[in-house]
Amino acid sequence: LAKTTQPISMDSYEGQEVNITCSHNNIATNDYITWYQQFPSQGPRFIIQGYKTKVTNEVASLFIPADRKSSTLSLPRVSLSDTAVYYCLVGDPSFSGGYNKLIFGAGTRLAVHP
Amino acid sequence: EAGVAQSPRYKIIEKRQSVAFWCNPISGHATLYWYQQILGQGPKLLIQFQNNGVVDDSQLPKDRFSAERLKGVDSTLKIQPAKLEDSAVYLCASSSPKPGGYHGYTFGSGTRLTVV
Repeated sequence: LAKTTQPISMDSYEGQEVNITCSHNNIATNDYITWYQQFPSQGPRFIIQGYKTKVTNEVASLFIPADRKSSTLSLPRVSLSDTAVYYCLVGDPSFSGGYNKLIFGAGTRLAVHP
Repeated sequence: EAGVAQSPRYKIIEKRQSVAFWCNPISGHATLYWYQQILGQGPKLLIQFQNNGVVDDSQLPKDRFSAERLKGVDSTLKIQPAKLEDSAVYLCASSSPKPGGYHGYTFGSGTRLTVV
C-alpha cells in the first residue's frame, strides 16, 4: 500500500486559502487519492477524492499533477470551523469483494486563527 | 441515510478488566472496519469484515482483542484483559461499492476508552 507524507501542522487565518500538499511517490496505477477531515471527538469525514487533474466539490478542490506522485488539497476562504486534522490516503477502490482498506498516516493539523 | 452508530460513547475501566464496544453500520454496507486511534495519531486498522467473514485482522492483538460480526450486520469488539496502552478511541466504519468504483467510508463517532 502506498505511503503518504504530509506536513505535521499548518496555521492560517480566517478568509485565507489553504493548500495542503501530500506526497505519495509509490502510488499504484489503480490507486485513487482521498482526503478526510477529522474534528476532535468525531470520526474522520470524507472530503474529496480524485484520480488525476483537478476535482472540485462544494467543500474543496483537489489538484493532482500528471505524474500523480503528489496531490494538493485546497480549502478556499477557511473559517475557524475548518480547524481540524486532514488526512491524505491512497488506495484502490475498484475491488469487487470489499477487500480494500485505507491506511491513515498522522495527518496535518490545520489551525485557523481569527 | 442514518450514520454508523457506536456505543458506548465513553468508557473508563481499570487495567485487567474487560470491555466491549458495539457498532451498527449503515444499512446495506457489507464491509465493516474497526480502527484504533491513539491520541495524536491517525486511525490504525484493527480488523476488517466482509459480511460476517474476517478479511484482515493482521493488526489485531489477538491475545487480548477479539471481534465478531454476527449475521453480517452489527459488530462487537472486545478487549480482555485491558492494558493501559489500550487507552484510545475505537472507531467503527462501514463501506459499500458505489457507481464508478468509489468505496466511501463512513465513520462513527467512536468510543473513547480510558484504562486506569
